[in-house]
Amino acid sequence: EVQLVESGGGLVQPGGSLRLSCAASGFTVSSNYMSWVRQAPGKGLEWVSVIYSGGSTYYADSVKGRFTISRDNSKNTLYLQMNSLRAEDTAVYYCATSILVQGGFDYWGQGTLVTVSS
Amino acid sequence: DIQMTQSPSSLSASVGDRVTITCRASQSISSYLNWYQQKPGKAPKLLIYAASSLQSGVPSRFSGSGSGTDFTLTISSLQPEDFATYYCQQSYSTLSITFGQGTRLEIK
Repeated sequence: EVQLVESGGGLVQPGGSLRLSCAASGFTVSSNYMSWVRQAPGKGLEWVSVIYSGGSTYYADSVKGRFTISRDNSKNTLYLQMNSLRAEDTAVYYCATSILVQGGFDYWGQGTLVTVSS
Repeated sequence: DIQMTQSPSSLSASVGDRVTITCRASQSISSYLNWYQQKPGKAPKLLIYAASSLQSGVPSRFSGSGSGTDFTLTISSLQPEDFATYYCQQSYSTLSITFGQGTRLEIK
């Protein structure tokens, strides 16, 4: 069974850092493209970053230069390193992947809340 | 970046109604369009991929159509569990994935 479990969220001060993890089971993270998607309170979905099976990474303009997506194949885990956090980064962060369909995210984690506040 | 615009932003309907939500891309995205349903406090759920393919396990009252820049999600006969927020998402640009702003479907 495919499962994605995020962790690492919490309260952090503006300018601080946080690393989110997404532990995967039932498939291999290195074989699929995986993304982080966030949702600010009461707002819509915003794509954050993607890492492809070949290792290429891309970011939304709003986080470019501050966030880094990576994976640990030995742990079958996806990460999002978030630096220089701002109040506007406050959101639930989801990891998502496309396994059985082309293009759409057919599996999502439960989400982890990041709150940036002093 | 490719912009995705949904309409309407919110919609009131009754059980049994036929509902259509539209999504327009700022440039042609062929059929690289997906639809999601999200309920409060839950992760999004994939309904339709590649514009018109029904995701496994999704009821057949949901359907999608369109190509190029204009797409629609249709629910043929609304059920109580369908009241939620719906998002479109383009997967044409592998460098920058974008979602529509969402359509909130409420009970009339």
